[in-house]
Amino acid sequence: KAGVTQTPRYLIKTRGQQVTLSCSPISGHRSVSWYQQTPGQGLQFLFEYFSETQRNKGNFPGRFSGRQFSNSRSEMNVSTLELGDSALYLCASSNPAGDTDTQYFGPGTRLTVL
Amino acid sequence: AQSVTQPDIHITVSEGASLELRCNYSYGATPYLFWYVQSPGQGLQLLLKYFSGDTLVQGIKGFEAEFKRSQSSFNLRKPSVHWSDAAEYFCAVGGSNDYKLSFGAGTTVTVRA
Repeated sequence: KAGVTQTPRYLIKTRGQQVTLSCSPISGHRSVSWYQQTPGQGLQFLFEYFSETQRNKGNFPGRFSGRQFSNSRSEMNVSTLELGDSALYLCASSNPAGDTDTQYFGPGTRLTVL
Repeated sequence: AQSVTQPDIHITVSEGASLELRCNYSYGATPYLFWYVQSPGQGLQLLLKYFSGDTLVQGIKGFEAEFKRSQSSFNLRKPSVHWSDAAEYFCAVGGSNDYKLSFGAGTTVTVRA
């Protein structure tokens, strides 16, 4: 079974731009979570979606948003990029009907803001 | 509030020697505990998890971890380290139907020949 895939793997943007990152979960997984990883703050939870509904949200500004589609694929969007948004963005999927509460991570998208 | 502390930022170990990584957690309910490993430029790979039952859990790559409720700890061990074990290791805590994992700051493991 294919793992979690994330596209693109690398992105370079400039301050003020916006960016959209994509995540395809493991087949059959309906929950998708997003995390930001930076050297200074470590791994921080952004939000979690299940059946196209956001169920859980971390402590990030409104510039960070997400959505989930009917096929469980998810996107996250960051508007008005700041230098501090440079990070590795990780997506994880889980299967509430099966291996409950275990999150499987993708390879991440490395975002650089110049 | 939930939190995880990994006291060791960096550990250097000789190939073939044993390894133990420490993890202490704080969680208001029954904790679900995880260890993940991350190689440079990669995502997180699940090594093992503890939900309930036997407090000594076995994972992939020869790793094991022991849950000690009285000490709020979930330490990771490997009897004999291989050069390929050089990576960063993260301990995480969550709960039933809690899809927000809290991670420790990570421990970087260097393996010397």
